Amino acid sequence: EPEVTQTPSHQVTQMGQEVILRCVPISNHLYFYWYRQILGQKVEFLVSFYNNEISEKSEIFDDQFSVERPDGSNFTLKIRSTKLEDSAMYFCASSVLAGSYNEQFFGPGTRLTVL
Amino acid sequence: DAKTTQPPSMDCAEGRAANLPCNHSTISGNEYVYWYRQIHSQGPQYIIHGLKNNETNEMASLIITEDRKSSTLILPHATLRDTAVYYCIVRVPNQGGKLIFGQGTELSVKP
Repeated sequence: EPEVTQTPSHQVTQMGQEVILRCVPISNHLYFYWYRQILGQKVEFLVSFYNNEISEKSEIFDDQFSVERPDGSNFTLKIRSTKLEDSAMYFCASSVLAGSYNEQFFGPGTRLTVL
Repeated sequence: DAKTTQPPSMDCAEGRAANLPCNHSTISGNEYVYWYRQIHSQGPQYIIHGLKNNETNEMASLIITEDRKSSTLILPHATLRDTAVYYCIVRVPNQGGKLIFGQGTELSVKP
């Protein structure tokens, strides 16, 4: 069964450093998303991406964040200058343009720890 | 998107049916009810969705009341692996739309 994959599973970085989180969505999917979950809190939407541009973004997704689909398979989230409060699980998801159901498939997540 | 209310936690005995309720009294006519779950520290997993008719798939059944103001997710024979946080989300299924997760119901399946 096809699945969304994410690398790395765990990333440790120093405050102020740049990090890139990588995702490989399901191959025939066209919509891509990033969510995050701070420990003990709700899953929060960050950004959605379609046709090589951002469809929607939340207030969390400020100028420190960017997304890119550098090739036909990868979807990346970059945090330019990490802060302590960026420590969280980051989940990538994808969905296929089919009918009207927009079922989203999530990856296993990347745990980002900012020291 | 309509707001949902779920109990924070529930217990269920292994092998019994788990019935997880969700109130969505402000749901509008074009909004669907979706259920996702999150097993500890994993990515959320889609379970089922419906508009007004009851739905069943290999994972669960979804019962939506006639006035659509509430619904129940039923896991017919809960196993220990069904221990997870279950999220009820009400939204218009527009393409590319975000999912807004609440606190969900933490279901503990006990032997």
